[in-house]
Amino acid sequence: GIQVEQSPPDLILQEGANSTLRCNFSDSVNNLQWFHQNPWGQLINLFYIPSGTKQNGRLSATTVATERYSLLYISSSQTTDSGVYFCAVDAGGFKTIFGAGTRLFVKA
Amino acid sequence: NAGVTQTPKFRILKIGQSMTLQCTQDMNHNYMYWYRQDPGMGLKLIYYSVGAGITDKGEVPNGYNVSRSTTEDFPLRLELAAPSQTSVYFCASSYSPGHKIHNSNQPQHFGDGTRLSIL
Repeated sequence: GIQVEQSPPDLILQEGANSTLRCNFSDSVNNLQWFHQNPWGQLINLFYIPSGTKQNGRLSATTVATERYSLLYISSSQTTDSGVYFCAVDAGGFKTIFGAGTRLFVKA
Repeated sequence: NAGVTQTPKFRILKIGQSMTLQCTQDMNHNYMYWYRQDPGMGLKLIYYSVGAGITDKGEVPNGYNVSRSTTEDFPLRLELAAPSQTSVYFCASSYSPGHKIHNSNQPQHFGDGTRLSIL
């Protein structure tokens, strides 16, 4: 089946710093989503981005489907950005495959 | 709108007991999903449904059953609880204009999870 790899696995930032999270996938996908899981365990959908670039405030995402990767950019990080960021792909047959996540901690 | 609502939020079961995790959504989404998240891991799909009366297995269906009698509700049943089923369970829903159009699915909305411990 399709493999989804996220990097880095862990990231510590000073408040105000920028970062880039990466998601690689091993086969063609129908769509791709980025989620944030906050420290309370809630999952929030950040982007639905099968291809191209989207921006939402300090966050933006780019998916290059032909090269099988997606990037999530966080600018001017805040402590509330802490949590786990997941990439999830639709591998066809209506099944969603999640990566293992990037654990982000933003220090004040 | 309440979105996706899961009950209970926490539960402790003894080995061999059975229980049903409830999930309901009020967004008129046709797709619904059940995932489990083990500590430090991503989510794994247990079962999904593309509409009332239609369900199918995901990555890790063993030990679970589902039903979808209405658009709103998608309960997950554990028949004989085992320690390996200790996990956090998430229900999600999404909308697709047509289940034969594979790339038309919309973003998934998640419930707050049910933390289940089996001792």
